[in-house]
Amino acid sequence: DAKTTQPTSMDCAEGRAANLPCNHSTISGNEYVYWYRQIHSQGPQYIIHGLKNNETNEMASLIITEDRKSSTLILPHATLRDTAVYYCIVRVRTGTASKLTFGTGTRLQVTL
Amino acid sequence: DTAVSQTPKYLVTQMGNDKSIKCEQNLGHDTMYWYKQDSKKFLKIMFSYNNKELIINETVPNRFSPKSPDKAHLNLHINSLELGDSAVYFCASSSGLAQQETQYFGPGTRLLVL
Repeated sequence: DAKTTQPTSMDCAEGRAANLPCNHSTISGNEYVYWYRQIHSQGPQYIIHGLKNNETNEMASLIITEDRKSSTLILPHATLRDTAVYYCIVRVRTGTASKLTFGTGTRLQVTL
Repeated sequence: DTAVSQTPKYLVTQMGNDKSIKCEQNLGHDTMYWYKQDSKKFLKIMFSYNNKELIINETVPNRFSPKSPDKAHLNLHINSLELGDSAVYFCASSSGLAQQETQYFGPGTRLLVL
């Protein structure tokens, strides 16, 4: 059911920016792009979300292309604690409810 | 102060047994969810409740029965446990049903069926 495509894994040096791409070419006009991450053995953690405009918070920046078919999550200064699986999710609405459909994610390894 | 908590953290049991997992959130949220993460790490939604009413049921076997005694609690009872039920079960909550609502996850319950 996942509507997103992400690289399986990426490496990033500590202190450098980590840029995680995501393709969502079939996204509908009212569907949001969400990013979560899962640090080993923990529950998924919300990072950021957006609809059309670029977004920034204390954790990351989200860049969404103008056609909304892809996006990039940017961790500006990656640390070892950012090593995790990062999930790009297109939020799907089911009747009166909406749910998160997780794909396989990108395993980000931050190294010294 | 844990926002979304689950008990137990680990659960090891025999095939055929009945077990329950409990979830509580202190965020004042109206909507709660159960997700299952299998051995291949795929995370899939199972159920969602809004104001104690079931709103999402993702073709989960009827051996799984969620119960929401109030908005702050969503428990998961599993009858006749099978080997394939071994997984990590995550509870989550959100303030409502709007598409931009953020879901907050608990730490997970690791179930192992022997």
